[in-house]
Amino acid sequence: DAGVTQSPTHLIKTRGQQVTLRCSPISGHKSVSWYQQVLGQGPQFIFQYYEKEERGRGNFPDRFSARQFPNYSSELNVNALLLGDSALYLCASTSPTGNYEQYFGPGTRLTVT
Amino acid sequence: SQKIEQNSEALNIQEGKTATLTCNYTNYSPAYLQWYRQDPGRGPVFLLLIRENEKEKRKERLKVTFDTTLKQSLFHITASQPADSATYLCALDRGSTLGRLYFGRGTQLTVWP
Repeated sequence: DAGVTQSPTHLIKTRGQQVTLRCSPISGHKSVSWYQQVLGQGPQFIFQYYEKEERGRGNFPDRFSARQFPNYSSELNVNALLLGDSALYLCASTSPTGNYEQYFGPGTRLTVT
Repeated sequence: SQKIEQNSEALNIQEGKTATLTCNYTNYSPAYLQWYRQDPGRGPVFLLLIRENEKEKRKERLKVTFDTTLKQSLFHITASQPADSATYLCALDRGSTLGRLYFGRGTQLTVWP
């Protein structure tokens, strides 16, 4: 079975630009979460979607938005990019049964110059 | 807000020894506590989950303990190997919102031959 996939793997943007990151969860998983991981820190929760509805939002500005599609894939959008947005953006899906462990994708490395 | 501390940024041990990593948290007690492994440039990989009503959980060479009185979890790797070298992340889950984890910054473990 394919794991969580994310695209693109790397991205370089300029301050003020907008970016869209994409995630496909494991087949059968309806919950998708997004995390930001700055170098040297643990992942920080941004959003969680379940059945196409936002179920949780972390302490991030309104420049960050997301959505989930009927096939449970998801997009994370960041507007008006700042240098501080440079990070590894991780997507994770959660099994609907079992122990709530999360399955992470390889991440998208975003560099803002 | 929830605060999670992992005992040290780096831990170096000799092959064959037992590595012990510490995770302390403040404020509310989590419903679940999870441990993940992360290799450089990769997404975290789930290792073990322990519930608030469990004291200990084992999986092969891994052992996790959970003390809700001390608000602490210990993560042990016995008979450590160089292949165990990675960053280990502690994550808390309140259980009320599926897919929302609070992570510590991680402990970088190096096992030398």
